[in-house]
Amino acid sequence: DIQMTQSPSSLSASVGDRVTITCRASQSISSYLSWYQQKPGKAPKLLIYGASSLQSGVPSRFSGSGSGTDFTLTISSLQPEDFATYYCQQTYSTPVGFGQGTKVEIK
Amino acid sequence: EVQLVESGGGLVQPGGSLRLSCAASGFTFSSYEMNWVRQAPGKGLEWVSYISSSGSSLYYADSLKGRFTISRDNAKNSLFLQMNSLRAEDTAVYYCARDGNPSYSSGWFDFWGQGTLVTVSS
Repeated sequence: DIQMTQSPSSLSASVGDRVTITCRASQSISSYLSWYQQKPGKAPKLLIYGASSLQSGVPSRFSGSGSGTDFTLTISSLQPEDFATYYCQQTYSTPVGFGQGTKVEIK
Repeated sequence: EVQLVESGGGLVQPGGSLRLSCAASGFTFSSYEMNWVRQAPGKGLEWVSYISSSGSSLYYADSLKGRFTISRDNAKNSLFLQMNSLRAEDTAVYYCARDGNPSYSSGWFDFWGQGTLVTVSS
């Protein structure tokens, strides 16, 4: 199985900050990488698929990049509603595995 | 509007069984592959199972060791997860999730239900 490792596990940031979250795959997954946002008590929400394609309705301050084994999710200017946990997911092969999550907290 | 509504969760004793349901609406259910994903309390997301649009292809997480069975009824726009020989480590919120593309197996999930809590405890 392909292992997904996110870093950091948590971070503190202020409104307006640029935030970057990293996801690394244990083997090459081309661009088969998705990102989700999850708020407490809620279902995950798809943000990015295919490493860099923005899901419909997701604000443009979210962007994704990378290919192969290394990927990043960037929030260009953190907004109050962005405080949440973010997960990456490889969709290259079954089982489609998730990273352990990165919690973005208010500084 | 796409909606996925899970039901069937609850408290069950170790070794017991439970059947989860997911009622779909707002889209052509029979055209989409579906999945179950779970999340243990305070933990991350874990993919559980996949079913193709026709129901002919099924996949499961290795950790389940044959205890769970996924199925669907396209005539009733419903997805199911039969869970047997339940263990404490199966305690989690279970989500049904739609595959992101009806034309090919994308692997990403564009719509999720609100989840149903399964608690395995004596």
